[in-house]
Amino acid sequence: RKEVEQDPGPFNVPEGATVAFNCTYSNSASQSFFWYRQDCRKEPKLLMSVYSSGNEDGRFTAQLNRASQYISLLIRDSKLSDSATYLCVVADTGGFKTIFGAGTRLFVKA
Amino acid sequence: GAVVSQHPSWVICKSGTSVKIECRSLDFQATTMFWYRQFPKQSLMLMATSNEGSKATYEQGVEKDKFLINHASLTLSTLTVTSAHPEDSSFYICSARDRTRGVINEQFFGPGTRLTVL
Repeated sequence: RKEVEQDPGPFNVPEGATVAFNCTYSNSASQSFFWYRQDCRKEPKLLMSVYSSGNEDGRFTAQLNRASQYISLLIRDSKLSDSATYLCVVADTGGFKTIFGAGTRLFVKA
Repeated sequence: GAVVSQHPSWVICKSGTSVKIECRSLDFQATTMFWYRQFPKQSLMLMATSNEGSKATYEQGVEKDKFLINHASLTLSTLTVTSAHPEDSSFYICSARDRTRGVINEQFFGPGTRLTVL
């Protein structure tokens, strides 16, 4: 079993749609959780951290369920510019062991 | 802020040669830098963790004698791919942490180096 697993994708959605990405992790001792965005042939960039209480940043909402070892990302009102690969990232307490999911590709079409 | 640069951005070399990639934190001091490799349509795979002034910690399956890492200062880490072969062709990305900014354990990524070995 992979340490971090994500929906395989790709997701093809029209503009304005709501799309949800799921991610599960295997190490119950993991402490930090993130969603990164990676555009084609570019480096990953932090989209948002994920907290147990859930957090929202504009159209993006992230949720963490420690009991189920599950992370989610919800994108509302999708824009063309949201097209990218979304990476689920899990780190240990010190952040020295960081595991990236394989990523979920999102295509938003007009 | 929290800018990380890499050089070169792309390199083509002959099989058997060595290639050095530099990773610099431009506006902060990075006690820890990370080196990743990404093959097409795959996720980033951590190769090694580099701490300033000490030996790098390599992930299982990564040959430390083939991928030499030097973190000589708080702003510079280098990765040298020795005796490169075509299967080493990949996208190499470094990242660094700045404990004084960003969210806890956030990593700031360099733009990556695309290596093609002929």
